[in-house]
Amino acid sequence: KAGVTQTPRYLIKTRGQQVTLSCSPISGHRSVSWYQQTPGQGLQFLFEYFSETQRNKGNFPGRFSGRQFSNSRSEMNVSTLELGDSALYLCASSWGQGAIDTQYFGPGTRLTVL
Amino acid sequence: AQRVTQPEKLLSVFKGAPVELKCNYSYSGSPELFWYVQYSRQRLQLLLRHISRESIKGFTADLNKGETSFHLKKPFAQEEDSAMYYCALSGRAAGNKLTFGGGTRVLVKP
Repeated sequence: KAGVTQTPRYLIKTRGQQVTLSCSPISGHRSVSWYQQTPGQGLQFLFEYFSETQRNKGNFPGRFSGRQFSNSRSEMNVSTLELGDSALYLCASSWGQGAIDTQYFGPGTRLTVL
Repeated sequence: AQRVTQPEKLLSVFKGAPVELKCNYSYSGSPELFWYVQYSRQRLQLLLRHISRESIKGFTADLNKGETSFHLKKPFAQEEDSAMYYCALSGRAAGNKLTFGGGTRVLVKP
């Protein structure tokens, strides 16, 4: 089985811009979760989508949003970028909803905001 | 709110020595506890989960609800165990989302 893929792998943006990151889950997986990883805050949960519906949301401002398509692929959008949004963004897929099922992580998208 | 604490940022041990990574948590209810590992240049991956009660790559972890801990242990560390280890928690009260600890970097010296 192909693993979770994320595109692009690296991204450089400037403050105020917006960005869209993409995640393709393992075939058959219906849940996609997004995490932000920074040296200061570590790994923080952003949100989870299951069957095209957001099921869970972390403590992030409304500038962070996402969606899931019928083929389970997911996109994450960050609007009005701030310097503090520079991070590694990870997505993870699982068969079922929530963290009970094993989550398989992608390689991440490294976002740098200048 | 749920919280996971890994007090050691770095653990350095010699090959063949025992290694124990500490993980403490706070959670209201019955948690699901996990250990994730990230080897150099590889993805974050699940190492083990407490409900499985299995040993993976020689590692074991016991959930101690009285001490709210889920320490990871291996009796004889190998060089290939050098990696970043994250303890994580989930459960219904947490909305079934994963909450990670800050991580412990393990360095196994030859």
